[in-house]
Amino acid sequence: EVQLVESGGGLVQPGRSLKLSCAASGFTFSNYYMAWVRQAPKKGLEWVATISTSGSRTYYPDSVKGRFTISRDNAKSSLYLQMNSLKSEDTATYYCARQGDSFAYWGQGTLVTVSS
Amino acid sequence: DIQMTQSPPVLSASVGDRVTLNCKASQNINNNLDWYQQKHGEAPKLLIYYTNNLQTDIPSRFSGSGSETDYTLTISSLQPEDVATYYCYQYKSGWTFGGGTKLELK
Repeated sequence: EVQLVESGGGLVQPGRSLKLSCAASGFTFSNYYMAWVRQAPKKGLEWVATISTSGSRTYYPDSVKGRFTISRDNAKSSLYLQMNSLKSEDTATYYCARQGDSFAYWGQGTLVTVSS
Repeated sequence: DIQMTQSPPVLSASVGDRVTLNCKASQNINNNLDWYQQKHGEAPKLLIYYTNNLQTDIPSRFSGSGSETDYTLTISSLQPEDVATYYCYQYKSGWTFGGGTKLELK
């Protein structure tokens, strides 16, 4: 059974950093692109970052480019999102998702609140 | 960047109704479109991939269609458990979600 379990969310002050983790199991992690998708309170879904199977290629929307860094450790079947210079508009539930051409599997999400 | 516009934002329908949700891309996305269902408090769930392919274990009352810039999710007979927000998503160029359609029971 495919499982994705996020951790690392919490309350953080504007301008500070936070690192999210996602532990994957039930599939060959190194064979899949992985992604982070977020959802601000009462808002829609927003793609945040994608990483290739080896980690050599990463992709971001303009809203987080230069502030967020996606990475992976295939030996540990783990995905990460380093978030720097956080803003109030980054407040959201962050989902880890397995990305082929579709997001067939999602984690349960971890809430990040950016507030002073 | 490709923009995805969903309509209507909110849809009220009765049990048993045939329901149609729309998604329009700002440019031709060549059928590279999925539909996701998100129930309150849950993670999104893949319903339809590549425009018209039903994901495993999804009821056959759900179907997708469309081409070029215009796409549709149809529920042939609305059930109470279908109350949710539905998102389209394109992966032709970059990755973009639509703003969602909230489906309610009348």
